[in-house]
Amino acid sequence: EVQLVESGGGLVQPGRSLRLSCAASGFTFDDYAMHWVRQAPGKGLEWVSGISWNSGSIGYADSVKGRFTISRDNAKNSLYLQMNSLRAEDTALYYCAKEDTDGDYGGYFDYWGQGTLVTVSS
Amino acid sequence: QLVLTQSPSASASLGASVKLTCTLSSGHSSYAIAWHQQQPEKGPRYLMKLNSDGSHSKGDGIPDRFSGSSSGAERYLTISSLQSEDEADYYCQTWGTGIHWVFGGGTKLTVL
Repeated sequence: EVQLVESGGGLVQPGRSLRLSCAASGFTFDDYAMHWVRQAPGKGLEWVSGISWNSGSIGYADSVKGRFTISRDNAKNSLYLQMNSLRAEDTALYYCAKEDTDGDYGGYFDYWGQGTLVTVSS
Repeated sequence: QLVLTQSPSASASLGASVKLTCTLSSGHSSYAIAWHQQQPEKGPRYLMKLNSDGSHSKGDGIPDRFSGSSSGAERYLTISSLQSEDEADYYCQTWGTGIHWVFGGGTKLTVL
């Protein structure tokens, strides 16, 4: 059974940093691209960042480019999101998601985690 | 610009059928999409990938009540024999080279 478990969320002041983690199990992690998607309170889904299976391809939404860094450790079956210079508008539930086709970077999200809440407030 | 447009809300009666629509922006009518369901207070759940020719592949454990179809730039999700647990938000999603990943605004489905 595929499982994605996010952690690392919390309350943080504007301008500070936070690192999210996603622990993956139930599939061959290093075969698949992975993504972060967020959902602000009462709003829809917004893609944040993605990374290919070998970290060779990485992308960011314009809203986070230059502030967030995605990475992965295939030996630990883990995905990370380093979030710097956090703003109030980054407040959201952050989901980890797996792409559906092995070896690709570019596809659809076939498994999602339950999310970790990040609140940016003074 | 790649944009997915969804109606904000829809409603249908218990046991009936409902058809939700996701419209691709001009110039992108050949794109496939995915449909995701988000029940209240839960993470999203992948329902299916839907191609421009209407062929679709569903996620693990998705009931036969959920089906997809396509016409031009429109992608549809049909839910038949509506059940109370189908009350949820439904999102379409696609991606494009250099465009990254895009979601529609979501449709809130109410089961009456």
